Order: sequence, then structure tokens, then C-alpha cells
Amino acid sequence: EVQLVESGGGLVQPGGSLRLSCAASGFTFSSYWMSWVRQAPGKGLEWVANIKQDGSEKYYVDSVKGRFTISRDNAKNSLFLQMNSLRAEDTAVYYCARRSRIPKCSGDGCYSYYYYMDVWGKGTTVTVSS
Amino acid sequence: DIQMTQSPSSLSASVGDRVTITCRASQSVSNFLNWYQQRPGKAPKLLIYAASSLQSGVPSRFSGSGSGTDFTLSISSLQPEDFATYYCQQSYSGPYTFGQGTKLEI
Repeated sequence: EVQLVESGGGLVQPGGSLRLSCAASGFTFSSYWMSWVRQAPGKGLEWVANIKQDGSEKYYVDSVKGRFTISRDNAKNSLFLQMNSLRAEDTAVYYCARRSRIPKCSGDGCYSYYYYMDVWGKGTTVTVSS
Repeated sequence: DIQMTQSPSSLSASVGDRVTITCRASQSVSNFLNWYQQRPGKAPKLLIYAASSLQSGVPSRFSGSGSGTDFTLSISSLQPEDFATYYCQQSYSGPYTFGQGTKLEI
């Protein structure tokens, strides 16, 4: 069964740090980009970060740049999110998600990809409060 | 960043109804548009990618259409399990932004 299981959430004071983990199983983890997406209480979804298969490319939403670091360990089928300098507005459920793609093709060939998040974990809750 | 706006924000319907949710992008995203369903307390679930392609295992009563800036998600003959919140997401350019969600209520 394809599965993602997050862990590491909890209560932390403003300015503190937390490291989230995501354990993948049932698929070849090293073949996929992976993402973190968060959802503040009662709010919508917000993409947080992406990491390429080999970890060589990483992208972040502006609000977490310089504070959060995404990483992965393909040998252990694990994804991580190191969160530093946490703020109240970082309070959310954090989801780990697999990013899949299919080629976008037209008559003269295939030159880009459709990307989508097709496997999600159940999430881990991060609360930043004093 | 590309802004995604969904309408309506909430919608009341009954089992058996057909409903349509709209998503508008602040600039063209071609057909790089995904739809997700989120039931209360659960993780999001991919329904549709590339604007109109149904994800494996998703019932055929769900359909998507549109291109450029305007997209729709339609659900024919609502079932009890369809009452949830629906999100669109563009995957045209980073950051891959989501709409604010449409809550479908009984």
C-alpha cells in the first residue's frame, strides 16, 4: 500500500524549532519529487516546500524562506522539514505529499509536465504558542 | 504569484443534485489545474489533474473543464460522501497556489 506517515508535530514556543518527518512506503521514494503542504486552523491549503528526487533542488513559499529547510534521506525513504524561528502564523496541520507528473504533449512533441500531488499523509499538527 | 479564486465559497445542495464549482486564475495557467477534495479532519485527495483528467479510482460523476483562466469542477448526482471542501490548484508556475476552497454542505 502506498503510504505517507508524518510525525514530529507538537507545541513549541515562538522562536523555537521543530523537525517534522515523513515516512514513505509502498512506492519508489527516490523517484519522486516530494512536498510539504500546510493548513492553518479553519483555513485553506498552502504549499510550503518541494524537493527534487536527489535533493539537488528545493523550493519554498516566501513566508518560510530562510526559516524552514526541506530535506530527504532516500536510503530511509524519509522526508523532513526543519522549522526554525517559528511564529504563531506557522500553526497548522502539516501534510507530506508525493508530487507526480505526466508529460504534456501536443502534435509536435512533449515539452513540459503536468504536476499534481497524488498521495498525501494524514498530517501532523504544529502549534506555536507561548 | 498566481492568485486562484473559487466561487462560491460555500454551497448548499442535496443528495442527487448536480453542482458546479468555479475556479478563476489571475493569469492564464493553460490547463495546469488540479482539483482536490478534503473531507472534515482528513487529508486532501486528488480528484482531477490537467484540468479534466480524472485520477484513478475517482468516480465518474466528477468532471473538470476549462483552460486559460476559468475552470469548473462538476459533480453529477451528489452522494453523501461528496459533502466536503474542494480546492483548485494551479501547477503552471511556482508557487503552486491553491484556491481558498469551496465548502459543499447539505
